[in-house]
Amino acid sequence: GIQVEQSPPDLILQEGANSTLRCNFSDSVNNLQWFHQNPWGQLINLFYIPSGTKQNGRLSATTVATERYSLLYISSSQTTDSGVYFCAGNAGNNRKLIWGLGTSLAVNP
Amino acid sequence: NAGVTQTPKFQVLKTGQSMTLQCAQDMNHNSMYWYRQDPGMGLRLIYYSASEGTTDKGEVPNGYNVSRLNKREFSLRLESAAPSQTSVYFCASSEMLGQARSGANVLTFGAGSRLTVL
Repeated sequence: GIQVEQSPPDLILQEGANSTLRCNFSDSVNNLQWFHQNPWGQLINLFYIPSGTKQNGRLSATTVATERYSLLYISSSQTTDSGVYFCAGNAGNNRKLIWGLGTSLAVNP
Repeated sequence: NAGVTQTPKFQVLKTGQSMTLQCAQDMNHNSMYWYRQDPGMGLRLIYYSASEGTTDKGEVPNGYNVSRLNKREFSLRLESAAPSQTSVYFCASSEMLGQARSGANVLTFGAGSRLTVL
């Protein structure tokens, strides 16, 4: 089946540092989305980014669908950025989202 | 605007007991989903409903049943709970399923329901 790989699986940052999270698909991807799950479990959609680049405050995302990957940039990280970041997308002709296993981020003060 | 509301937030069951997780959305979305989340396994789709009146199996449907009661509500039932069903369950909704027009399958999640089966 289609594989979604997120890297790195775990990341520890000092507050103020920048980071890049990556999401690779083994097949062509559509409708790529990034989510953040906070330490209390709430899942929030960060970006709908089927292609190109979007920015929202300190976060930005870039998807290169032809190369089957997406990147999430976090700049000037804050402790509230801690949690797990998931990517998900429709791969091939599959109408259901396929999910990565996430990147667990801890931002220390 | 409540978004997606699921109840209960916590539940402890004994093996063999039954229960229903309730989910309601107020965004007039057509599609609704039930996921389970287990450590190290990410989010796995249990069942989904592309539109009112339809339901389909996801990756891990065994041991569960669903009902799309109306456009707003989508419930998940465990008929005979097993310890393997100990998990955190999430309900989600989207305007449409799959390869619809741009952005229509963006998911909104409920707060989650933590279920423990002893």
